[in-house]
Amino acid sequence: DQQVKQNSPSLSVQEGRISILNCDYTNSMFDYFLWYKKYPAEGPTFLISISSIKDKNEDGRFTVFLNKSAKHLSLHIVPSQPGDSAVYFCAARAKNSYDKVIFGPGTSLSVIP
Amino acid sequence: KAGVTQTPRYLIKTRGQQVTLSCSPISGHRSVSWYQQTPGQGLQFLFEYFSETQRNKGNFPGRFSGRQFSNSRSEMNVSTLELGDSALYLCASSLTWQANTEAFFGQGTRLTVV
Repeated sequence: DQQVKQNSPSLSVQEGRISILNCDYTNSMFDYFLWYKKYPAEGPTFLISISSIKDKNEDGRFTVFLNKSAKHLSLHIVPSQPGDSAVYFCAARAKNSYDKVIFGPGTSLSVIP
Repeated sequence: KAGVTQTPRYLIKTRGQQVTLSCSPISGHRSVSWYQQTPGQGLQFLFEYFSETQRNKGNFPGRFSGRQFSNSRSEMNVSTLELGDSALYLCASSLTWQANTEAFFGQGTRLTVV
């Protein structure tokens, strides 16, 4: 049973356009969400996070939106750059608990120059 | 400061053998988590250690085990290797248990079982 889902295995976007990566979760106990980015032959690196008390968090070109009622979050990258081509993992956890962090299967983003 | 170091980077083993992977976390970090990454499956949680104690365990068979030492370094062991164990094994280091802080990942150990 996958608690964190990323239903699009891959996404292609033209350079300069917006990239939207989606993530859905099923566990209502999750209250903190993170996005990680992974290049080939490297470990994932933390990108941006959002607490369930917010519905939006922005950091430069990256914005994460959270819709708690729909149990859905999305990562927007504007404008997309070729260097953004990577696998993006959505992750969720129950803050201040001993519960493990659950990762989604990832979405491979290709930004075409 | 130095990042998370995983050794070895690449490993080839035959079925039935056992393997030990090592992870040195960022200095001062007390939590180490292990993940298995295979195509299409994302990062599957193996276990998390905090202050030498296993805090959480994922849904993997008993052939997968781990431990953490007093200096926070961690090892992961897989016995009686199967072809399906071929994967990238990632270690993540956190200041406290991973539910409270973001994790810093190592480059991983690519295990191939033949």
